[in-house]
Amino acid sequence: KQEVTQIPAALSVPEGENLVLNCSFTDSAIYNLQWFRQDPGKGLTSLLLIQSSQREQTSGRLNASLDKSSGRSTLYIAASQPGDSATYLCAVLDGNKLVFGAGTILRVKS
Amino acid sequence: DAGVIQSPRHEVTEMGQEVTLRCKPISGHNSLFWYRQTMMRGLELLIYFNNNVPIDDSGMPEDRFSAKMPNASFSTLKIQPSEPRDSAVYFCASSGTQQGEQFFGPGTRLTVL
Repeated sequence: KQEVTQIPAALSVPEGENLVLNCSFTDSAIYNLQWFRQDPGKGLTSLLLIQSSQREQTSGRLNASLDKSSGRSTLYIAASQPGDSATYLCAVLDGNKLVFGAGTILRVKS
Repeated sequence: DAGVIQSPRHEVTEMGQEVTLRCKPISGHNSLFWYRQTMMRGLELLIYFNNNVPIDDSGMPEDRFSAKMPNASFSTLKIQPSEPRDSAVYFCASSGTQQGEQFFGPGTRLTVL
């Protein structure tokens, strides 16, 4: 059974700092990996999708990497801003199912 | 370009009542997913449709839950009878790209008293 773990569970940083969120999964036979953002009381916004054959994807200040063999992904956020404060969720597409981690709650202090 | 649309956004009902949640996927997407989010269990897949056909309903918790997709632009998730432990946020998502990227609706927050 696929399990996804995200570390840390919560993170508080000052504005401007670069930061890394970690995601690990137990079964490397995934189709893709998606990073989402969820604001309080809101839905999920897709940030980046990495296919299993890819190593990384970039969008603006965000960079996500994937090491399928070791079952790990990282989300790098450069020059963090207070508007980046949210919960960040990692999910792997395992067969037909997206299996989610519990998320990392990020707070960027101004 | 409209995203995934869900209604209602909030639903408060009493135990034993029937609840129907609705979803309109992104036009052209051929896969639709229903998820449930709770503090205790996080996000869980309930059921998955492909081309309007239910493919995997192993996540549906009990027979009280049922889902239909009568056409490519509409799906319902029904709970009958509802119980307080069904209180959660229910998300609908759709996918239509080869890469398998899923796009989520805003969710329905269900409270069963």
